[in-house]
Amino acid sequence: EAQVTQNPRYLITVTGKKLTVTCSQNMNHEYMSWYRQDPGLGLRQIYYSMNVEVTDKGDVPEGYKVSRKEKRNFPLILESPSPNQTSLYFCASRAGGEVTEAFFGQGTRLTVV
Amino acid sequence: GDSVTQMEGPVTLSEEAFLTINCTYTATGYPSLFWYVQYPGEGLQLLLKATKADDKGSNKGFEATYRKETTSFHLEKGSVQVSDSAVYFCALSDYKLSFGAGTTVTVRA
Repeated sequence: EAQVTQNPRYLITVTGKKLTVTCSQNMNHEYMSWYRQDPGLGLRQIYYSMNVEVTDKGDVPEGYKVSRKEKRNFPLILESPSPNQTSLYFCASRAGGEVTEAFFGQGTRLTVV
Repeated sequence: GDSVTQMEGPVTLSEEAFLTINCTYTATGYPSLFWYVQYPGEGLQLLLKATKADDKGSNKGFEATYRKETTSFHLEKGSVQVSDSAVYFCALSDYKLSFGAGTTVTVRA
């Protein structure tokens, strides 16, 4: 089954404690992205990757890091989380080209206290 | 840069009512346009898409037409059901996928 898998689904952490949210896709897609969803703001792109070892900043990259060492994985790293990073996070992947459908993970609900 | 503006919600309707969610876009090129739907507790999934001017996307009774002259891609459904309660996102794609703010739709029995 084609899918994007994120882990964990829920996470509560404390300010400053490094964390990683994993994302994996089984569709051999070139493009992968991370978004955060906040009430009234819709989905905002954090980082995206057009292929292995190719990453770039989205609209709200501050406080986040990513890596793309393998095509299937695209982890999101928060080196020093802060309360303003409390949000719902989604990973997405799609094949190359502008008309292709994006597939989304189930989401990770992160709370930073 | 490219952007999408969609009608603010929330929208509350009765079953069998007509639904319209407005979406307009700003783009320098000729992007593809999408509607995604997010059911409670789930990720987004593609509802329909259109890749060029005058194309009509349709799925599950929903329709949207790519209008280049008005830079719009409004979503419509003639008779909604309780199961259509969800958040709907308009999106455009050139090399990057950009989303609108989302419209929450609640359908009451």
